Amino acid sequence: GAGVSQSPSNKVTEKGKDVELRCDPISGHTALYWYRQSLGQGLEFLIYFQGNSAPDKSGLPSDRFSAERTGGSVSTLTIQRTQQEDSAVYLCASSWNSGSGREQYFGPGTRLTVT
Amino acid sequence: DAKTTQPTSMDCAEGRAANLPCNHSTISGNEYVYWYRQIHSQGPQYIIHGLKNNETNEMASLIITEDRKSSTLILPHATLRDTAVYYCNTMGSGSGNTGKLIFGQGTTLQVKP
Repeated sequence: GAGVSQSPSNKVTEKGKDVELRCDPISGHTALYWYRQSLGQGLEFLIYFQGNSAPDKSGLPSDRFSAERTGGSVSTLTIQRTQQEDSAVYLCASSWNSGSGREQYFGPGTRLTVT
Repeated sequence: DAKTTQPTSMDCAEGRAANLPCNHSTISGNEYVYWYRQIHSQGPQYIIHGLKNNETNEMASLIITEDRKSSTLILPHATLRDTAVYYCNTMGSGSGNTGKLIFGQGTTLQVKP
């Protein structure tokens, strides 16, 4: 079946502009996660959705970052007034997140470059 | 989630079995052991998970010790494409668990021809 998809695959933007990153999870997966990974760095958790609500948004680095999920499916991560330190690969993952089924399936990521 | 420790790096000859160890000595009774890997410039990839019984799928086998304090991921016939960083995690099964992943340094497996 279809895996997690993300768009765009690459995004170059000027400092100060807003960007929107999209994630389409695996159909039926109730949990959706956003992470980011800077060059040579580890995985950094940003936000977790269960259905349309976000019980854990503790990883969002500042109030310039926001995310929403609609219909228990598609999610959008928005970064306002982008800064150069926002440059990273933004990864989305989805999961059943229930009992023994907590494995996450990742999308290919969006590479964001802020110039 | 319990802390895990893994060797920093390992080498394996192509076609041989790769055995990657992980220590999780403080794992609690309802926590599963999960393995992921990340190939260079790609997103993480789920491999396998287990609670206490050994598990096998099309990618790998997972051997968990009887006391559950350690486990070994086995790639039975390693190929060059298995060169990656391998991460061992533990994750609780309770309803309050968010499931968010926190990766340690992992083991960099280099498969050599």
